[in-house]
Amino acid sequence: KQEVTQIPAALSVPEGENLVLNCSFTDSAIYNLQWFRQDPGKGLTSLLLIQSSQREQTSGRLNASLDKSSGRSTLYIAASQPGDSATYLCAPTGIQGAQKLVFGQGTRLTINP
Amino acid sequence: EAGVTQFPSHSVIEKGQTVTLRCDPISGHDNLYWYRRVMGKEIKFLLHFVKESKQDESGMPNNRFLAERTGGTYSTLKVQPAELEDSGVYFCASSRQGGVYEQYFGPGTRLTVT
Repeated sequence: KQEVTQIPAALSVPEGENLVLNCSFTDSAIYNLQWFRQDPGKGLTSLLLIQSSQREQTSGRLNASLDKSSGRSTLYIAASQPGDSATYLCAPTGIQGAQKLVFGQGTRLTINP
Repeated sequence: EAGVTQFPSHSVIEKGQTVTLRCDPISGHDNLYWYRRVMGKEIKFLLHFVKESKQDESGMPNNRFLAERTGGTYSTLKVQPAELEDSGVYFCASSRQGGVYEQYFGPGTRLTVT
């Protein structure tokens, strides 16, 4: 059974800092892994998807890496802005055909102006 | 392209009543998923449709929950009779068949059972 842990649970940093959010998962037999952000009272917004054959994926100031064998993924946010404040969730999926996402508790990020 | 939509955004019902949640996936997305988050817990998978067929319903908590996807378009999730522990936020997501199966989520329905 896949279990996902995200560390830290909460993070507060001043604007402009670069930061790293960590995600670990117990079953390395994944098909892909998605990173999402969730704003209070809203749905989940997909940020990045990394396929199991990839090592990293970039979108703007975001860079996600994946080390499938060790069960880890990181989300790097460069030059953080107050608008980046949200809860960040990582979710791996199982092998193709078993596409359910498995979520951890997420990291609640606050960027202080 | 319109995103995933869910209706209602919020529902308050009494224990024992019935509630039906609706999800409209992104047009052309054959895969439709239901998830829920109960208070203080992580988001958990409920079930997965491929078109009108249930591919995986391993996350459905009990037989008070019934999901349908007639015609392979929108889906409904009915809770009957509702219990207090059913309170939470119910999310729907959809993805294309094939490729990377990137899932796009709707805004969720907040269900409160009193």
